[in-house]
Amino acid sequence: AQRVTQPEKLLSVFKGAPVELKCNYSYSGSPELFWYVQYSRQRLQLLLRHISRESIKGFTADLNKGETSFHLKKPFAQEEDSAMYYCALLDNAGNMLTFGGGTRLMVKP
Amino acid sequence: KAGVTQTPRYLIKTRGQQVTLSCSPISGHRSVSWYQQTPGQGLQFLFEYFSETQRNKGNFPGRFSGRQFSNSRSEMNVSTLELGDSALYLCASSSTPGLAGSTDTQYFGPGTRLTVL
Repeated sequence: AQRVTQPEKLLSVFKGAPVELKCNYSYSGSPELFWYVQYSRQRLQLLLRHISRESIKGFTADLNKGETSFHLKKPFAQEEDSAMYYCALLDNAGNMLTFGGGTRLMVKP
Repeated sequence: KAGVTQTPRYLIKTRGQQVTLSCSPISGHRSVSWYQQTPGQGLQFLFEYFSETQRNKGNFPGRFSGRQFSNSRSEMNVSTLELGDSALYLCASSSTPGLAGSTDTQYFGPGTRLTVL
């Protein structure tokens, strides 16, 4: 069974500080990993996916198959980054998206 | 393009009743997925429909069912409601079934908040 774990429910940092939201997964095949974000009173939306290897809003995430992790990082947090972040895993067949429990990021001024 | 729409936005039912939720995908999208979001269990996949066929189903009891119409609109039905069914039900659409290896993206609706009393 596939599983996604986000160990921190809440992460609070000051503006300008580096941010790392942790995501660990369990899956026997070759997964596709995603980060979704939900800003206050907005819809859940895709932030980035590992196969794109792109940086969105200054965020990056590297898939580490050895450590089965897909941590989300940003060197300098901004107040507008405050949101709920979900890590998600897609199985090989593209049939099921499994979400982690989410981490609420609070960026303080 | 208009985004994914879900109706109704809020719903209050009592135990034992049944409920039908509706989702209209983005125009041109043929895949619709449903998710249940609760504080305790987080976001859980319910099922996905593509071209009126259920492609996959999550680990939910048979009380949860759905269907998709020829215009890609989808409905989700929950029968014999239980208190634990209280949740935010999210619908997401994409142009292709599944997302593996593609650059397609799922777009989420605002959700229907169901409260079971």
